[in-house]
Amino acid sequence: GDSVTQMEGPVTLSEEAFLTINCTYTATGYPSLFWYVQYPGEGLQLLLKATKADDKGSNKGFEATYRKETTSFHLEKGSVQVSDSAVYFCALNNFGNEKLTFGTGTRLTIIP
Amino acid sequence: GAVVSQHPSRVICKSGTSVKIECRSLDFQATTMFWYRQFPKQSLMLMATSNEGSKATYEQGVEKDKFLINHASLTLSTLTVTSAHPEDSSFYICSARRGLTTEAFFGQGTRLTVV
Repeated sequence: GDSVTQMEGPVTLSEEAFLTINCTYTATGYPSLFWYVQYPGEGLQLLLKATKADDKGSNKGFEATYRKETTSFHLEKGSVQVSDSAVYFCALNNFGNEKLTFGTGTRLTIIP
Repeated sequence: GAVVSQHPSRVICKSGTSVKIECRSLDFQATTMFWYRQFPKQSLMLMATSNEGSKATYEQGVEKDKFLINHASLTLSTLTVTSAHPEDSSFYICSARRGLTTEAFFGQGTRLTVV
């Protein structure tokens, strides 16, 4: 079945540091890939997505590129801020399937 | 943007009682809603898919008689945890899909504690 493997946290970085959160997937077909963010006390919000190979999703300074050859969708940001502290989930949605399959989530804490 | 509201955000109930959680799409019609359960330090596990006007489809291992799902209108789905036990304590999150888009919008979650 489909699965998502995500870098385990927690991750603690200083403000303005470079961020990478690794995500790899296993799926048949051609899934769409997502990054969701969950701020404290809130539900999940879509951060970015990519629907086909080599697509780059970007939002709020975050980027992730759909790499079919390595089955990866790593999340990156060049300079993190304290407000980026949250839990980040990588997820996939396979063609013709409404369900989202999530990774385990990575808790990110940015310290001033 | 699309807003999904979940209520209550926190609930504490006694063992053996039932508790209902509501999930509403506030500014769009959701033909399909999803219920997830999130264990500490673990991912979201899909419990069931709820379609308006029909029976919910439960994932393997989820007791449908314990977790009752009703999707009576295009803007409301409810999850009732019946005869709750401490092991049912968890974070429950709903999401709603708008039309045929691939994007799902999530509620803020409900923290259930059974004592």
